[in-house]
Amino acid sequence: EAQVTQNPRYLITVTGKKLTVTCSQNMNHEYMSWYRQDPGLGLRQIYYSMNVEVTDKGDVPEGYKVSRKEKRNFPLILESPSPNQTSLYFCASRTTWVLGYGYTFGSGTRLTVV
Amino acid sequence: TQLLEQSPQFLSIQEGENLTVYCNSSSVFSSLQWYRQEPGEGPVLLVTVVTGGEVKKLKRLTFQFGDARKDSSLHITAAQPGDTGLYLCAGGRSNFGNEKLTFGTGTRLTIIP
Repeated sequence: EAQVTQNPRYLITVTGKKLTVTCSQNMNHEYMSWYRQDPGLGLRQIYYSMNVEVTDKGDVPEGYKVSRKEKRNFPLILESPSPNQTSLYFCASRTTWVLGYGYTFGSGTRLTVV
Repeated sequence: TQLLEQSPQFLSIQEGENLTVYCNSSSVFSSLQWYRQEPGEGPVLLVTVVTGGEVKKLKRLTFQFGDARKDSSLHITAAQPGDTGLYLCAGGRSNFGNEKLTFGTGTRLTIIP
């Protein structure tokens, strides 16, 4: 089954404790992206990657890092989480070669930073 | 500044009624996508439209891309409880080979049995 897998689904952590949210896709997609979803603000892009070793900032990159060492994986790293990073996070992937090709989203990671 | 405005934000109607939700922008998009998101899950793509004036149908759902490619509508005929969810539109703009998507804040639809 074609899918994007995120882990963990739920995470409660304390301020300043480094964490990583993993994301993996099995569709051989070139493009991967991380979004956060907050009430009233919609989905906002954090980082994206157009292919292996090619990453760039989205609209809200502060406090986050990413890496793309393999085509299928795109982890999101919070080096020193803060309460304002409490949110619902989604990883998504798509092919880059078709205009308007839609995203496949993961099921989300609900992060709470206390 | 929110580039994509969706209206209404909330809509609650009886099963069997028809409804239309709107997605408006002052910007031109190369494509417009509609997603539906259910609680606890990620958005799921419903349709993509890429040509101004394009109309696509998906069973009881009809999607239209505005002639100027700045707006879109989603019409549901004879709504059913299974249509309940958050509907998101997303506009795509090409930039050096990267098509950047901007999402609207969504329309939360509730169909009452």
